[in-house]
Amino acid sequence: DTAVSQTPKYLVTQMGNDKSIKCEQNLGHDTMYWYKQDSKKFLKIMFSYNNKELIINETVPNRFSPKSPDKAHLNLHINSLELGDSAVYFCASSRDRGLVYGYTFGSGTRLTVV
Amino acid sequence: AQTVTQSQPEMSVQEAETVTLSCTYDTSESDYYLFWYKQPPSRQMILVIRQEAYKQQNATENRFSVNFQKAAKSFSLKISDSQLGDAAMYFCAYRSEETSGSRLTFGEGTQLTVNP
Repeated sequence: DTAVSQTPKYLVTQMGNDKSIKCEQNLGHDTMYWYKQDSKKFLKIMFSYNNKELIINETVPNRFSPKSPDKAHLNLHINSLELGDSAVYFCASSRDRGLVYGYTFGSGTRLTVV
Repeated sequence: AQTVTQSQPEMSVQEAETVTLSCTYDTSESDYYLFWYKQPPSRQMILVIRQEAYKQQNATENRFSVNFQKAAKSFSLKISDSQLGDAAMYFCAYRSEETSGSRLTFGEGTQLTVNP
């Protein structure tokens, strides 16, 4: 009964490839997020969707494109992968835009670009 | 823009002792929420405790409590009777509705080691 599930947990791929990370939440939350955690463990928001509408789009290369087919899913597609994209990517969800109760996070996807 | 600072990259504590992790933040807003998250080696982000800025009473959750000083913009986490399972990276986070959109802004993290 995982609340926020991400797949895959680990992803190793070559430079230049295109890959996707999937995220699903079964909490009935209306807002979902993608965060990137770099090698120094710093967490930075990339995107946020509320009821399938994009509400936060940080300064992220155009190679990164989120897609939300419904409010329970938020996938991240990355084109032309670069070495610097190696990181842990977290999906999260919240109700009430996370103001009161914070976020529920997935377990993360460790992306390694070689 | 709001910023969150954790000035202690690493901390250590003996099992059963008490440790305090520091967090300061910068904001001009009056209504906001603060959180502490724990990230063990499993990588999972776990909410430890949260505090509403309009409440003067400090939040507590079992062995975890906070010292919230709104005027000083300080939000420290105290862990009492430390256990080996408390070893993790701890992140302080800030959230408001006024200007931050939906984002949760995190500090740099403090790596806590618990020594047996």
